[in-house]
Amino acid sequence: DAKTTQPPSMDCAEGRAANLPCNHSTISGNEYVYWYRQIHSQGPQYIIHGLKNNETNEMASLIITEDRKSSTLILPHATLRDTAVYYCIVRVGGGADGLTFGKGTHLIIQP
Amino acid sequence: DAGVIQSPRHEVTEMGQEVTLRCKPISGHNSLFWYRQTMMRGLELLIYFNNNVPIDDSGMPEDRFSAKMPNASFSTLKIQPSEPRDSAVYFCASSFARDRQFFGPGTRLTVL
Repeated sequence: DAKTTQPPSMDCAEGRAANLPCNHSTISGNEYVYWYRQIHSQGPQYIIHGLKNNETNEMASLIITEDRKSSTLILPHATLRDTAVYYCIVRVGGGADGLTFGKGTHLIIQP
Repeated sequence: DAGVIQSPRHEVTEMGQEVTLRCKPISGHNSLFWYRQTMMRGLELLIYFNNNVPIDDSGMPEDRFSAKMPNASFSTLKIQPSEPRDSAVYFCASSFARDRQFFGPGTRLTVL
């Protein structure tokens, strides 16, 4: 799986959009971008994933650049409950193997 | 659905004792994963099963660790004998048809 690079921490004001970047310059054509988050003391939680088109669900939006070398996870209206570590993971689509977690971004939502 | 169920939630044991962690995946899921999380190493995949068959156990630290999945609704991770460096949070996750993974709440293991 391709390696990803994320900033170690970010702050965002409550109610604002939180934009979390991820670099994956070595991504292969058959690899998807997945985002998970881990709220303190809980198990990781799936957020969203995509191949090359932008994706949106009830939790977030995922913007992938045209060259697919980077992406941004957007939480449109961040709340205090969104404070968590966010992991960007690149893996082959349909892969049944495990996830390789990096250090992620610790997002802190400020009141 | 109750989600992935893990037991116990907390385990404190003494070095040398056997520890067994249990996991019940989401009904209908055919893949099961065991992960370990420590401050030093982060989240690591230990082993995963597809259709109850172990596929990759390359993440298991050493022979003291073993995992089984006797049926589609139950899996165990056993450490024998346990050591202080095994102290960590152990997560179980399950998925269906190679889709997203659903994680359990974890078991916090402390080996004294």
